[in-house]
Amino acid sequence: DIQMTQSPSSLSASVGDRVTITCQASQDISNYLNWYQQKPGKAPKLLIYDASNLETGVPSRFSGSGSGTDFTFTISSLQPEDIATYYCQQYDNLPPAFGGGTKVEIK
Amino acid sequence: EVQLVESGGGLVQPGGSLRLSCAASGFTFSSYSMNWVRQAPGKGLEWVSYISSSSSTIYYADSVKGRFTISRDNAKNSLYLQMNSLRDEDTAVYYCANVGDYWGQGTLVTVSS
Repeated sequence: DIQMTQSPSSLSASVGDRVTITCQASQDISNYLNWYQQKPGKAPKLLIYDASNLETGVPSRFSGSGSGTDFTFTISSLQPEDIATYYCQQYDNLPPAFGGGTKVEIK
Repeated sequence: EVQLVESGGGLVQPGGSLRLSCAASGFTFSSYSMNWVRQAPGKGLEWVSYISSSSSTIYYADSVKGRFTISRDNAKNSLYLQMNSLRDEDTAVYYCANVGDYWGQGTLVTVSS
């Protein structure tokens, strides 16, 4: 099975800061990677699919990049409503595997 | 509007059983593979089980293999998870999802004596 390693596990940043989260796959997954946002008590929400494609309606301050084994998720200017936990997830091979999550807080 | 609505969660004693259901609407359910994903309190997302659109391919996480059974009824637009021999560590919110853009709101399963 493919393992997804996400870092950091948590971060604290100021409003307006650029935030970057990384995700590493244990083997080549091409660009078959999703990024989700999850707020407390809610289901995960898909933000980015195919590593870099923004889901409809998602603000453009969110972006993703990478292919193969190394991926990056960026919030270009952190907003108060972005406080959440973010997860990467591969879908190149079954089973679909999630990263451990990154909890983003406001400093 | 796409909707996935889980039901069947609750409090059960260790060793007990529960059957979760997920009712789908607003999309062509029979065309999609589906999954159950769980989240223990304060923890991350854990994939539990996968079923292909025709039920021909099924996978389970090692942690539930032999105890959980996934199934679907495309005529009823429904997904199921039969959970037997439940353990404390199965306590979680269980989501049905296509593991993409369609997720339910989750149903809480609590295993405790």
